[in-house]
Amino acid sequence: GAGVSQSPSNKVTEKGKDVELRCDPISGHTALYWYRQSLGQGLEFLIYFQGNSAPDKSGLPSDRFSAERTGGSVSTLTIQRTQQEDSAVYLCASSEDRTNTGELFFGEGSRLTVL
Amino acid sequence: DAKTTQPNSMESNEEEPVHLPCNHSTISGTDYIHWYRQLPSQGPEYVIHGLTSNVNNRMASLAIAEDRKSSTLILHRATLRDAAVYYCILRDRGSTLGRLYFGRGTQLTVWP
Repeated sequence: GAGVSQSPSNKVTEKGKDVELRCDPISGHTALYWYRQSLGQGLEFLIYFQGNSAPDKSGLPSDRFSAERTGGSVSTLTIQRTQQEDSAVYLCASSEDRTNTGELFFGEGSRLTVL
Repeated sequence: DAKTTQPNSMESNEEEPVHLPCNHSTISGTDYIHWYRQLPSQGPEYVIHGLTSNVNNRMASLAIAEDRKSSTLILHRATLRDAAVYYCILRDRGSTLGRLYFGRGTQLTVWP
């Protein structure tokens, strides 16, 4: 597709379950970012990938959160043993590294609700 | 990245100009000024960026103070579709990659 694609768009889960959120970046974009946005709040940085490596994972809130990227393309954000405070919209963005604007293209997000 | 300060909210009437201010008093000489906006239930989208000179594109204009400690995003004729949260962000020109720090932004309300 032309834009960043995220799935699922909505996920409702029970406390303690594991969830996986997927991001398909724009083809050719080497940089990929995960952010999350709680209701009425700003964006909180989680992790940044350059290719398959993650030079900055300092925003991951706990060891229950992990992310990987394979083939320099698709990325998966995994949350283990979900808690109610994990409820948020998880946003993925990608960027190509050959522009000095560093413009990020965002997907529409995955809304996670933990009951 | 250096931080920015924006008003929490602003209001405008449709078809009137809107000036959204941003203070960045700790900006460094190599920081670009970026603006993004987030429409309801969508991810943020890029609006405009600049370094020292004023910039224009199809969406907006960016006016940068001579000392670069502040900037203003200008929407020349606000439409209902411009109602969004607007984020002002600084990014080191030597670091085109890596995280962008999104603050709380300015919630723009446009009245018909």
